[in-house]
Formats: sequence, structure tokens, C-alpha cells
Amino acid sequence: DGGITQSPKYLFRKEGQNVTLSCEQNLNHDAMYWYRQDPGQGLRLIYYSQIVNDFQKGDIAEGYSVSREKKESFPLTVTSAQKNPTAFYLCASSITGTYDTDTQYFGPGTRLTVL
Amino acid sequence: DQQVKQNSPSLSVQEGRISILNCDYTNSMFDYFLWYKKYPAEGPTFLISISSIKDKNEDGRFTVFLNKSAKHLSLHIVPSQPGDSAVYFCAGASYGKLTFGQGTILTVHP
Repeated sequence: DGGITQSPKYLFRKEGQNVTLSCEQNLNHDAMYWYRQDPGQGLRLIYYSQIVNDFQKGDIAEGYSVSREKKESFPLTVTSAQKNPTAFYLCASSITGTYDTDTQYFGPGTRLTVL
Repeated sequence: DQQVKQNSPSLSVQEGRISILNCDYTNSMFDYFLWYKKYPAEGPTFLISISSIKDKNEDGRFTVFLNKSAKHLSLHIVPSQPGDSAVYFCAGASYGKLTFGQGTILTVHP
């Protein structure tokens, strides 16, 4: 049963703490992405990775960090430097991340609330 | 600078009628466009796409139209069903990256 999993579904953290969101895929996709969704806004790209051990900043990378040590995993760390971390975080993957015709498939998302 | 805009935050339609969702873009480098459907607290699911060299693509009840000169695309759903009620996002693709619009909430009434 192939797909993208994100855990946990809901996450609560105190202000000032770093938190890591998990994203795993078994689709054998090379490319993975992290997006953030805020109410009334579209999805905004945080980071993306087209291949293992390589990643690029997206449009809103400040206050976030990622790693891509394995093809199937792309964890996102929300650091204390992120000023407005409360949001819905979505992970996606695509076959290569190179061609515009590659469809991105999304995980179920993680709702992060910083108290 | 919002490169992809969905100017209608919401749309309400009667079951069986046509739903038309609109999207405007400014980036001429987009050469592929996609529509995603999203339910609350879930990830978006891919619906339909269109290449910039085409002006229409159809898949069952869903048709996407592209007017490149006007930098405008639209998604038509015919006939609309209550299960179509969701948020619809359009996105432009360039160099493998997607830029999303703000989304339109579609409500289909029985």
C-alpha cells in the first residue's frame, strides 16, 4: 500500500522549543517537498529536495531546517526562530521533481500548534 | 507578489448544476497547470492538469480550460455533486516547483 505518511496528525509545543515533523514515502519518488498552509492562503513552499543529501530553500525557509539522509524520509524541523509556527504542514513527493508534468502527491498533513 | 490568484474565496452551487472555478496567473514561465481538491485537515489530492500548449483537458465530470493570452484557467465540474464540496486549489508549475493560489471553497447543496 504505497503512499506518504506524516506523523503525528496533531502536535502541540511550547513557544521556544524546536519540533521535528516526520514525513515518509514508499513511492520510490526522488523528490520531496514541505509546504505550509495558513487560513485563507494557498500552500507555500518551505523546502524541497530532488535527491538524497540535497535540498533547496523554498519561498519561506526562514526558521525551518530539513535533512534528506534517506530517499524515503524528509523530516522538517520548526525552530524557535520561526516567528509564526502555528500552521498546517504538508509533505509531498513526486517522481523526479524535475519535470513540470510530475504530479506531486501529498501526505495527510500535521497540524502544529505552538502555545 | 502573488503569481497565482483565485479571486473567489467561495462558491455555492446546486447539485446537478455546473461549478466553475477560476484562476488567474501572472508568471509566463508556468508551462503546466494543476488543480487539487482538499478536504479539511487532509492533504490535497490531485484532480486534473493541463499543459500550456493545450487549451482544454477533460476527465469525466472535470474539464480544465486554459486561456494563455488572458493568463486565465478555469475548472468546470458537470454535474456537481455534494461530494465535490471541498477547497479547490489551482497551481502553476515551473522547473518542477508548484505555486498555489489561495483556494476556493466549493459548496454543493443537495
